[in-house]
Amino acid sequence: DTGVSQDPRHKITKRGQNVTFRCDPISEHNRLYWYRQTLGQGPEFLTYFQNEAQLEKSRLLSDRFSAERPKGSFSTLEIQRTEQGDSAMYLCASSPGEGRYQPQHFGDGTRLSIL
Amino acid sequence: QKEVEQNSGPLSVPEGAIASLNCTYSDRGSQSFFWYRQYSGKSPELIMFIYSNGDKEDGRFTAQLNKASQYVSLLIRDSQPSDSATYLCAVKRGNDYKLSFGAGTTVTVRA
Repeated sequence: DTGVSQDPRHKITKRGQNVTFRCDPISEHNRLYWYRQTLGQGPEFLTYFQNEAQLEKSRLLSDRFSAERPKGSFSTLEIQRTEQGDSAMYLCASSPGEGRYQPQHFGDGTRLSIL
Repeated sequence: QKEVEQNSGPLSVPEGAIASLNCTYSDRGSQSFFWYRQYSGKSPELIMFIYSNGDKEDGRFTAQLNKASQYVSLLIRDSQPSDSATYLCAVKRGNDYKLSFGAGTTVTVRA
């Protein structure tokens, strides 16, 4: 049973560039979440998918951010016109569909650095 | 007031001692509670979850929940140097899917 996989592990880019991250959840997990974590803080919720439907978005997700999960399997998170404040660890998590108490399992994250 | 607050660290304990971590939450609608361990530069790893008032034990870890006091704690018995990490408390409302995390407490176990 493979865990949540994220790619790339690290991304360094110049301010103003667009970046895209990918997340492959644990197989048969139909719930997928994106979080952002900055140094010294806990993860902050960004958005949530159940299968291919994006059901909730945080106020943190400005219009420069877009997330998709086109076939209900992997998901992508795109940031357009990156800013210094976007530097963070972007974490993806997944959980099974049944039961509202199911824990979320996290991937290793993508660390984004904006120059 | 933050939604989830954890006791400020760092917490330094000698090897073999008990490490006690505390977490309070503000939303009375919170129904499930999770403890994650995060090593430096790594992702959070689930170590315990609890839904009912009382204690839940798993190996050297014990989670304690008191919904009336809006308080959840984690005890690590017989602390080992490998337990040195940041411990994150997370809570979830019954009908929500997102987790709300505290800022974490860093634990250092001295050999």
